[in-house]
Amino acid sequence: GQNIDQPTEMTATEGAIVQINCTYQTSGFNGLFWYQQHAGEAPTFLSYNVLDGLEEKGRFSSFLSRSKGYSYLLLKELQMKDSASYLCAAMDSNYQLIWGAGTKLIIKP
Amino acid sequence: GAVVSQHPSRVICKSGTSVKIECRSLDFQATTMFWYRQFPKKSLMLMATSNEGSKATYEQGVEKDKFLINHASLTLSTLTVTSAHPEDSSFYICSARAVSADTGELFFGEGSRLTVL
Repeated sequence: GQNIDQPTEMTATEGAIVQINCTYQTSGFNGLFWYQQHAGEAPTFLSYNVLDGLEEKGRFSSFLSRSKGYSYLLLKELQMKDSASYLCAAMDSNYQLIWGAGTKLIIKP
Repeated sequence: GAVVSQHPSRVICKSGTSVKIECRSLDFQATTMFWYRQFPKKSLMLMATSNEGSKATYEQGVEKDKFLINHASLTLSTLTVTSAHPEDSSFYICSARAVSADTGELFFGEGSRLTVL
């Protein structure tokens, strides 16, 4: 079956760094997405990885290892506004997104 | 980036009535649109895939006669919740993939919160 695993909740301190891990199992693979979702709002696109390695975009970076079925989202210089849920999603061979349940990130002053 | 507009953002209706939610791609053409439903504190659940000019493909367990999807043009898809019941209260989100997209990136609407009394 197809499955996405990510931690349910994480807590970090303002100004610090946090890494949110995601493991996936899909029928075929066409990329790994990370989305940010604030409570009551639609998800917003953060990153897309289809090749192994690290993609850096400002304070956010995303890493992919296809052989391990593993990705992480790295958030640096955390700000209070980064408090949100972070959704990991893998695209299968039919271009359907398989979603994780999301990681709720709590930022403390 | 590309913009997807979803309307209405919030709707309250009486049990037994029907509600239509629109999803428009404002600055690009979308051959494929997806409709999702999100339960509180849960991840997005794909309800159906909508392809322009053809019937929607529904996920297992989703009643196609209850959740009517119409993708009449390359910029508009609609979801109609028919004979709504309180258990249909949820957050409904659409997303679209551009015709020319090679990354598979999806663009999301703002979401529609439906409350059925």
